[in-house]
Amino acid sequence: TQLLEQSPQFLSIQEGENLTVYCNSSSVFSSLQWYRQEPGEGPVLLVTVVTGGEVKKLKRLTFQFGDARKDSSLHITAAQTGDTGLYLCAGANSGNTPLVFGKGTRLSVIA
Amino acid sequence: NAGVTQTPKFQVLKTGQSMTLQCAQDMNHEYMSWYRQDPGMGLRLIHYSVGAGITDQGEVPNGYNVSRSTTEDFPLRLLSAAPSQTSVYFCASRSSGKETQYFGPGTRLLVL
Repeated sequence: TQLLEQSPQFLSIQEGENLTVYCNSSSVFSSLQWYRQEPGEGPVLLVTVVTGGEVKKLKRLTFQFGDARKDSSLHITAAQTGDTGLYLCAGANSGNTPLVFGKGTRLSVIA
Repeated sequence: NAGVTQTPKFQVLKTGQSMTLQCAQDMNHEYMSWYRQDPGMGLRLIHYSVGAGITDQGEVPNGYNVSRSTTEDFPLRLLSAAPSQTSVYFCASRSSGKETQYFGPGTRLLVL
């Protein structure tokens, strides 16, 4: 069974601070996805990383896929209150197999 | 496109009652799935389907049935609701061979 461990589980920071959340596994994935979920809504895809070592930037968010394709990180620069939410990582394998989800990191950015 | 739609948004059931959670997508996606989300447990896969007429069990299938008679619809049936099924249920879809998964807004279910 493939598992994805996310850390930290909870994070509360002040607006303007930087933060990094992690998504780790002992298994190799063909790609890793990051979703953000806001209260009362379904998760929304932020990014997919496919190549080992790949770095993708989405405004103040930087996503990195580990060289061995077993882990990923999400770094937020100068966090804003609008970044508040649940961040989920999901691992994908080739074919039509289900995504493997981590349990998420709940981020709270305080003004 | 409406994307993935779910009905109802909220539901209260008594133990032993049955109900069907509806899910529909208008993106012609082959792959559809149902998850439940509980505090501290993340998203857990209940059932999924890779196309019309094909369904398979996920991590937590007990107490739930599904069918996929059309590409668009993937209903989730609770035959005899139990308090342990109190949760938020999400339906999701994606195109076969693509990785982007689209989620519906969720159904919040309370079983008394």
